[in-house]
Amino acid sequence: IAGITQAPTSQILAAGRRMTLRCTQDMRHNAMYWYRQDLGLGLRLIHYSNTAGTTGKGEVPDGYSVSRANTDDFPLTLASAVPSQTSVYFCASSEAGLAGSNEQFFGPGTRLTVL
Amino acid sequence: GQNIDQPTEMTATEGAIVQINCTYQTSGFNGLFWYQQHAGEAPTFLSYNVLDGLEEKGRFSSFLSRSKGYSYLLLKELQMKDSASYLCAVEDSNYQLIWGAGTKLIIKP
Repeated sequence: IAGITQAPTSQILAAGRRMTLRCTQDMRHNAMYWYRQDLGLGLRLIHYSNTAGTTGKGEVPDGYSVSRANTDDFPLTLASAVPSQTSVYFCASSEAGLAGSNEQFFGPGTRLTVL
Repeated sequence: GQNIDQPTEMTATEGAIVQINCTYQTSGFNGLFWYQQHAGEAPTFLSYNVLDGLEEKGRFSSFLSRSKGYSYLLLKELQMKDSASYLCAVEDSNYQLIWGAGTKLIIKP
């Protein structure tokens, strides 16, 4: 049982390039999330999806897009990367999505550096 | 606005007890979570409180006072492996988690 996997583990990217971070879960969770984590700041929600086929904007959505074509996959795309998007990106999932104890399970993270 | 406050860093001695506080102001409240995050790793779930009072789970306990917008995580019999960051998160009225910046706990022998 893998839980949540993310790829790549780390990436160095030139500014202006397009990049997709992959996230797959095998727990059949309804909800999935993308966060970024920067030093001295809490986890900040970029985008979320409460169920397959729907997505929503979080606290810091600008410059990012997501899709949720099926239950398992939730890719995050940076259309044109900028240095301020240098961060550690975590994908997470939860069973509930809308109500109840919304315990979230996290992937191992992707460390992204934009030069 | 929404705000979660916790101390940036704390130091404690192996075998001792430490209390990490968290205060919050959020738009709605549907529960409070504590997560542990070791350096370079993903956060992992520790506890969840939705009603006032103390929840005990082995060496870790978490307390909640909704009227005061306050929680704490209590770690007993500290071990070196407890050196980590501890993240407080509140589930708001939209069922999204609002995260504090985390408290880095340093354990000394």
